[in-house]
Amino acid sequence: QVHLVQSGAEVKEPGASVKVSCKASGYSFTSNYVHWVRQAPGQGLEWMGIINPSGGTATDARKFQGRVTLTRDTSTTTFYMELTSLRSEDSALYYCTTDLVNWGQGTMVTVSS
Amino acid sequence: QSVLTQPPSVSAAPGQKVTISCSGSSSNVGSNFVTWYQHLPGTVPKLLIYENNKRPSGIPDRFSASKSATSATLAITGLQTGDEADYYCGTWDSSLNVGVFGGGTKLTVL
Repeated sequence: QVHLVQSGAEVKEPGASVKVSCKASGYSFTSNYVHWVRQAPGQGLEWMGIINPSGGTATDARKFQGRVTLTRDTSTTTFYMELTSLRSEDSALYYCTTDLVNWGQGTMVTVSS
Repeated sequence: QSVLTQPPSVSAAPGQKVTISCSGSSSNVGSNFVTWYQHLPGTVPKLLIYENNKRPSGIPDRFSASKSATSATLAITGLQTGDEADYYCGTWDSSLNVGVFGGGTKLTVL
């Protein structure tokens, strides 16, 4: 049974960076791609990027213009999403999900001065 | 503006049936599996349908889905007040190489 556990809520100032983790268990770590999705208050689901756990290659949505870095640590079966140059509009709930089927519990990121 | 198009809202009375459409293109809906979610803001999206029309265990057969060409449809029968939520479709876009979602449809059970 796929289980994804994300790190806790974060509060950051504008311009800072945040790194959210997603610990995977209950399945073969390299068998499923992992996506990152976010939802800002009052907005819909927004796809951010995807990482191949086997080779670590990642693709992110053009909208983020290189502000997103997706990585994984095979030794700890953990995925990471780092978002830099934070703006107030980055305040959102961030989710990791395997193949858009199994989801982590979400991590609230608040960007405020 | 979302790549997949859903109606912003739908409504129906308890016990009735409602359908939610998800319109895309040949590079997304037309060539990849569609997934449907039920979502309440602040919670984890609940998987309703995967691989176009398959229900995970625990999802009642009141929820069904289909796909034809570049459009997908979610149907909910026997509506209950507890079905009030936002519903999203999602898939992969093979041309853009990105995941895509619809803008979401708010279901109101009158």
